[in-house]
Amino acid sequence: NAGVTQTPKFQVLKTGQSMTLQCAQDMNHEYMSWYRQDPGMGLRLIHYSVGAGITDQGEVPNGYNVSRSTTEDFPLRLLSAAPSQTSVYFCASSRDRGRFSGANVLTFGAGSRLTVL
Amino acid sequence: GEDVEQSLFLSVREGDSSVINCTYTDSSSTYLYWYKQEPGAGLQLLTYIFSNMDMKQDQRLTVLLNKKDKHLSLRIADTQTGDSAIYFCAGPMDSSYKLIFGSGTRLLVRP
Repeated sequence: NAGVTQTPKFQVLKTGQSMTLQCAQDMNHEYMSWYRQDPGMGLRLIHYSVGAGITDQGEVPNGYNVSRSTTEDFPLRLLSAAPSQTSVYFCASSRDRGRFSGANVLTFGAGSRLTVL
Repeated sequence: GEDVEQSLFLSVREGDSSVINCTYTDSSSTYLYWYKQEPGAGLQLLTYIFSNMDMKQDQRLTVLLNKKDKHLSLRIADTQTGDSAIYFCAGPMDSSYKLIFGSGTRLLVRP
C-alpha cells in the first residue's frame, strides 16, 4: 500500500515555465488537498477536492490550477512559474469528504521541492 | 476564519520533558491535531483531541486542551534525540473541509 505518492521529488524551473506536480493515492480517499510549506509560515492550503469533479480554493490559490478527473489523482499545475512559488509542496488525502475527525484524518505525501529561478 | 499560532523553536536536553504550545482562534473547532515532520519527510499524524476532552494521553505523549483560553499543548515525556523534528498543530477552519496548520515548532533535543 503506497499511500500518497508525489512526483517529482525535486524540480528546478525558470520563471515563466509551466509544470505539473503529480499526486496519486491508492487508498480510495475522497478528499485530496495541496499545501505549500515555507520557512516560518507553516503549511498553507492551496486547493482541495472533496471528490472527483469537485475542487475548491484554499488560502493561497493564485498562480495554481487543479483538476480531479479521477478519485486517485489530483495534479497541481503552475501555468507560469514565479520565484515566489519556490517552496516545498505537499499533497494530502483523507478517507471521507465529510468533516475532519478522529477517524477522518489527513495522510501526507513525502513532498515535492520546487525551485523557480 | 481559523488562525493557529505556535512558537517557532524549542530546545531541550535528552530525558527532559518537552512542552509545545499552540493557540487557535476558531471556537467551533471540533478536533485538534498534532503532526510531526522529520527532516526531508512529509507530515505524520501523532495524535488528536476532541473538543469535549481536556486531556488525552498516548504513551509518552500528553495533549492538554484549555477551551476557555483556546490553548493546546503537546507534552513529550522522556524526550529522545529521535523526537527532534518540527511539530505542527492543526484544526479545521470554520468546521469546514479546510485543515489549517500553525507555523510549526522546531524541537531540538540535545544529548
